[in-house]
Amino acid sequence: NAGVTQTPKFQVLKTGQSMTLQCAQDMNHNSMYWYRQDPGMGLRLIYYSASEGTTDKGEVPNGYNVSRLNKREFSLRLESAAPSQTSVYFCASRWTGINNSPLHFGNGTRLTVT
Amino acid sequence: QKEVEQDPGPLSVPEGAIVSLNCTYSNSAFQYFMWYRQYSRKGPELLMYTYSSGNKEDGRFTAQVDKSSKYISLFIRDSQPSDSATYLCAMNGAGKSTFGDGTTLTVKP
Repeated sequence: NAGVTQTPKFQVLKTGQSMTLQCAQDMNHNSMYWYRQDPGMGLRLIYYSASEGTTDKGEVPNGYNVSRLNKREFSLRLESAAPSQTSVYFCASRWTGINNSPLHFGNGTRLTVT
Repeated sequence: QKEVEQDPGPLSVPEGAIVSLNCTYSNSAFQYFMWYRQYSRKGPELLMYTYSSGNKEDGRFTAQVDKSSKYISLFIRDSQPSDSATYLCAMNGAGKSTFGDGTTLTVKP
């Protein structure tokens, strides 16, 4: 009963380094999402994938890339990390169709960029 | 102006109190309404999910939606220290999910 699994849980990067955040869901959801959560700014959508093979920009996509590897997995890549990308990153998934389901979240990756 | 405004809090109440958490919204396209609970260092966890105007009850929790006023509430009866968390309202519609900024609740024993 794993739901949405994110790795790693914590990461510290130096400015300019790159990394990939991994996300996998086992609920057979077709849509997957990446959010960042910052104090006073709530949850902001970075990128999403409405179905396998498609990705779209959200509210704050600059500095990020994504890959929908298959139906279960959706990764987020920071090519050249900046201190402004220090945040908590959440992956989420849901079923979208005639009847949309609510979002189910992972427990987050806490990223610090120095 | 944000599409979803949530009472900012923080709220601190004694154990056993009734808690009211509130959000207003401006987009009439929102059709589904949710409340998430987020414990420290965890992801948001779905608490309540509703579509229509009116009340939905689940144990000590009641979600209330008033589409005509564009207002939603979450009531917690007999609040417990384990209810201490940040509560996020969220709304689906027009192909997107939009979240409030959250209200942090502390229930003191």
